[in-house]
Amino acid sequence: IAGITQAPTSQILAAGRRMTLRCTQDMRHNAMYWYRQDLGLGLRLIHYSNTAGTTGKGEVPDGYSVSRANTDDFPLTLASAVPSQTSVYFCASSPSGGSTDTQYFGPGTRLTVL
Amino acid sequence: GQNIDQPTEMTATEGAIVQINCTYQTSGFNGLFWYQQHAGEAPTFLSYNVLDGLEEKGRFSSFLSRSKGYSYLLLKELQMKDSASYLCAVLDSNYQLIWGAGTKLIIKP
Repeated sequence: IAGITQAPTSQILAAGRRMTLRCTQDMRHNAMYWYRQDLGLGLRLIHYSNTAGTTGKGEVPDGYSVSRANTDDFPLTLASAVPSQTSVYFCASSPSGGSTDTQYFGPGTRLTVL
Repeated sequence: GQNIDQPTEMTATEGAIVQINCTYQTSGFNGLFWYQQHAGEAPTFLSYNVLDGLEEKGRFSSFLSRSKGYSYLLLKELQMKDSASYLCAVLDSNYQLIWGAGTKLIIKP
């Protein structure tokens, strides 16, 4: 089934540990995004990539890094997790970036940092 | 700053009509999206408006007034499965989506 997959589904992590959230899409979309969703707040953009090989910072990039080695994969890394990074993380993709294209979302990763 | 405002929660009755409002103040405007998000699931696309007026899509309609910085989502013939959060998002001048916190819609039988 075409779409976006994310792994893991959920994770409990000790503060200070390194963690990579995985995201893969098979729609051959050029643009990919990472958001976090916290109770009472709108989705906030962490990082984005308009095409393989390029990345950009969103609204809340501190403490996170991304890479885009190919079209399909867009991993998000927390180098040293802190409790404020407890959130639900959504990966999304769209046919092209910097456009009015609709974004399609993965199922999310629920991360708890203790 | 950029701001999207939506009511936090609304309650409606099965079979009725409900209107969810969204007001926005953003740096630039390249369109407004509505997404539906069931509890514990991913947001899914409902509608996109860039021109003023009403766009109808089955039981769901979306309205935009750019001069007023205002949109609404109209849901008709409500069904229990419509219980979800409805997210309003504006595409700003940098083509980045600015999201509202969402409106949780509770449908009662």
